Order: sequence, then C-alpha cells, then structure tokens
Amino acid sequence: EVQLLESGGGLVQPGGSLRITCAASGFTFSNYAMSWVRQAPGKGPEWVSAISDSRGSTYYADSVKGRFTISRDNSKNTLYLQMNGLRAEDTAVYYCAKTGRSFGDYHWFDFWGQGTLVTVSS
Amino acid sequence: EIVLTQSPASLSLSPGERATLSCRASQSVKNYLVWYQQKPGQAPRLLIYDSSTRATGIPARFSGSGSGTDFTLTISSLEPEDFAVYYCQHRSSWPLTFGGGTRVEI
Repeated sequence: EVQLLESGGGLVQPGGSLRITCAASGFTFSNYAMSWVRQAPGKGPEWVSAISDSRGSTYYADSVKGRFTISRDNSKNTLYLQMNGLRAEDTAVYYCAKTGRSFGDYHWFDFWGQGTLVTVSS
Repeated sequence: EIVLTQSPASLSLSPGERATLSCRASQSVKNYLVWYQQKPGQAPRLLIYDSSTRATGIPARFSGSGSGTDFTLTISSLEPEDFAVYYCQHRSSWPLTFGGGTRVEI
C-alpha cells in the first residue's frame, strides 16, 4: 500500500525557514518523480515544486523560485522541501504527491499525503 | 504559464443527474489534462489523466474528453458521494498549473 507521510509543518515568522519532509513507502521511491503541492485555506491546489526520479532534475513555481529547494534521499525513501524567506502568502497545507508512472515525466498525481500545515505569521 | 479556467464555478444538481464540467487552457496542452476530485478535509483524488484515461478504481460514470485547449469532465449520473469540488491540472509544460475548481453541490 502506497503511503506518503508529511511532517515538519508549523508556525514560523515571516522571513524564517522551515524544512518539511515526506516519508514514502509501499512503492519503489527512486523510480518515481515527486512533487510538492500546496493549498491555501479556502483556495485550490497550487503546484510548488517537482523532482525527477533518480536523475535529480528540479522544477519550481515562479512564486517560490530562489526561496524553496526540493530534494530527495532515495536511500531513505524521503522527499524534502527546504523553505527559506517565508512569506504570509506561503501559508498553506503542503502535500507531497507521487507521479502516476515510473521512469519519466508523468506528472499526474495518483497518491497524495495527508498534508502538513505551514503557517507564516508574526 | 498556462492558465486553466474552469466553468462553471459551481453547479447545483440532484442525484441521478448528469454533470458537465469544463476546463479551458490558455494555450494548447495537447491531451495532457488531469482531473481531480476533492472533498473537505481531504487531499485531491485522481480521477482522469491524459484527458480521458480513468485512474485505477474510478467508476465508469466519470469520463473525460477534449484536446488542445478545451476539455470536459462528465459525470453521467451523480451519486451522493460525487458532490465535491473538481479541479483540472495540466502537465504539458513547466510550471504545472491547476484550474480554480468547480463545486458540484446538491
């Protein structure tokens, strides 16, 4: 059974940093590209960042480029999102999401975690 | 960035009725269009990918169509559990984007 378990969310002041983590199980993690998708309260989903399978290519939304860094540790089946320079508008539930097919850029998301809430406020 | 516009914003229907949801892209996304369903307090659930391919376990009453810039999600006969918000997403190019959603309510 595929499981994605996010952790590391919390309250952080504007300008602060936070690293959130997604522990994956139930599939061969290294074979799949992964993404972070966020959803602000009452809003629709917003794609944040993606990382390819073992090749490590990374992609970012313009709204987070230069502030957020996605990475993965395939030996630990874990996905990360390092968030620096946080702003109030980054407040959202952050989901990690697994792409639908291995070994390629198949960026539809067939499994999502339960999300971790990041609140940026003073 | 490709903008996805969903219409209508909300749809009031009864169980058993047909729902037709639209997603229009600001430029061609070929057939790389995805549909999700989301219920309150839950993560989105994959329904359809690449315009018309149902995801594993998705009932046949859900169908998708379209290519280029105009796409449709059809629910042939609404079940009580289908009342939710539906989002489209493209995977044609970076950045990936989502539409603003259509709420299907009773």
